Amino acid sequence: EAQVTQNPRYLITVTGKKLTVTCSQNMNHEYMSWYRQDPGLGLRQIYYSMNVEVTDKGDVPEGYKVSRKEKRNFPLILESPSPNQTSLYFCASSTTRDRGQGELFFGEGSRLTVL
Amino acid sequence: QQQVKQSPQSLIVQKGGISIINCAYENTAFDYFPWYQQFPGKGPALLIAIRPDVSEKKEGRFTISFNKSAKQFSLHIMDSQPGDSATYFCAASTYGQNFVFGPGTRLSVLP
Repeated sequence: EAQVTQNPRYLITVTGKKLTVTCSQNMNHEYMSWYRQDPGLGLRQIYYSMNVEVTDKGDVPEGYKVSRKEKRNFPLILESPSPNQTSLYFCASSTTRDRGQGELFFGEGSRLTVL
Repeated sequence: QQQVKQSPQSLIVQKGGISIINCAYENTAFDYFPWYQQFPGKGPALLIAIRPDVSEKKEGRFTISFNKSAKQFSLHIMDSQPGDSATYFCAASTYGQNFVFGPGTRLSVLP
């Protein structure tokens, strides 16, 4: 089954404690990206990657890091989480064929609370 | 210039009615305009998408209308059903890279 898998699905942590949210896709997609969803603001792109070792900032990259060492994995790293990073996070992937105008496949989401 | 505006914020429609959600953008470099549907507790899923060289695209009960000169596009849901109750996001991107999403519209279809 084609899917994007995120872990953990729920996490409560404290300010400053480093955490990583993993994302893995089994569709051999070149493109992967991270979004945060906040009420009234919709989905805002944090980082995206067009392929292995190629990453770029989205609209809200501050406080986040990513890496793309393997095609299937795209972890999101919060080096020193703060309460304003409390949010619902989504990972997504897509093929870059057809000028990238393909479907974004989203994971189920990871709800993060930073106390 | 990267922003995509979306309205209304919420919408209540009777079963069988027409739901209309509108979006507007500024960046003329956008070349792909998808709509995503999200149910509670789930990730968004692609509903329908359009390119700017087409003014309308229809898939079943869902239609996108696109007005390039006005930089606006809209989603029409005909014969709305309770199962259509969800949050809808319009989006725009350039070469499938930096996707920009609207703030979302929460649709409730009353039985």
